[in-house]
Amino acid sequence: GNSVTQMEGPVTLSEEAFLTINCTYTATGYPSLFWYVQYPGEGLQLLLKATKADDKGSNKGFEATYRKETTSFHLEKGSVQVSDSAVYFCALLPFISNFGNEKLTFGTGTRLTIIP
Amino acid sequence: ETGVTQTPRHLVMGMTNKKSLKCEQHLGHNAMYWYKQSAKKPLELMFVYNFKEQTENNSVPSRFSPECPNSSHLFLHLHTLQPEDSALYLCASSQKTSGGYEQYFGPGTRLTVT
Repeated sequence: GNSVTQMEGPVTLSEEAFLTINCTYTATGYPSLFWYVQYPGEGLQLLLKATKADDKGSNKGFEATYRKETTSFHLEKGSVQVSDSAVYFCALLPFISNFGNEKLTFGTGTRLTIIP
Repeated sequence: ETGVTQTPRHLVMGMTNKKSLKCEQHLGHNAMYWYKQSAKKPLELMFVYNFKEQTENNSVPSRFSPECPNSSHLFLHLHTLQPEDSALYLCASSQKTSGGYEQYFGPGTRLTVT
């Protein structure tokens, strides 16, 4: 079956530090990969996505590259801010042609805290 | 973010109450989902609707009853809940359930069962 493994948290960094949150996946075929972010007291927001190998998703200074050879989709940001404090979820969506239910498989989430 | 809205945002109910959660999407999508997010547990998919038809019931107890009157609205009717049902209930929508379309989430309803 499909699965997503992301690094255990919590992660605490100082402002302007470099961020990496690791994510690896197991899936058949060619899934789409996502990073969602959940700020305190809110729902999940789609942060970025990649739909095929070597695609790079980017948004708000965050980047992740779809690496099929290593089955990874690591999230990176060059200089984090206090406002980036949130829980980050890596997720996988298998591609099923035109029929059936594609189910998002989530990682367990990584809590990130940025201190000034 | 107003693409997917949920009401109420917070709900406290007793075990004998009946209440409903409402979700509305303004994205023109055809698929809608209910998820449950409990502390220290992975996100759990509860129900899936595609073009108003329920296509997934992920072994959810019958005290949770979904309703999808049209592609824009989704309800979750609650009755005789248990304290362990306290959680954040998230609604999501996507263009449809196949074809690789991403899901967009609402802000959630924080439910506390007393």
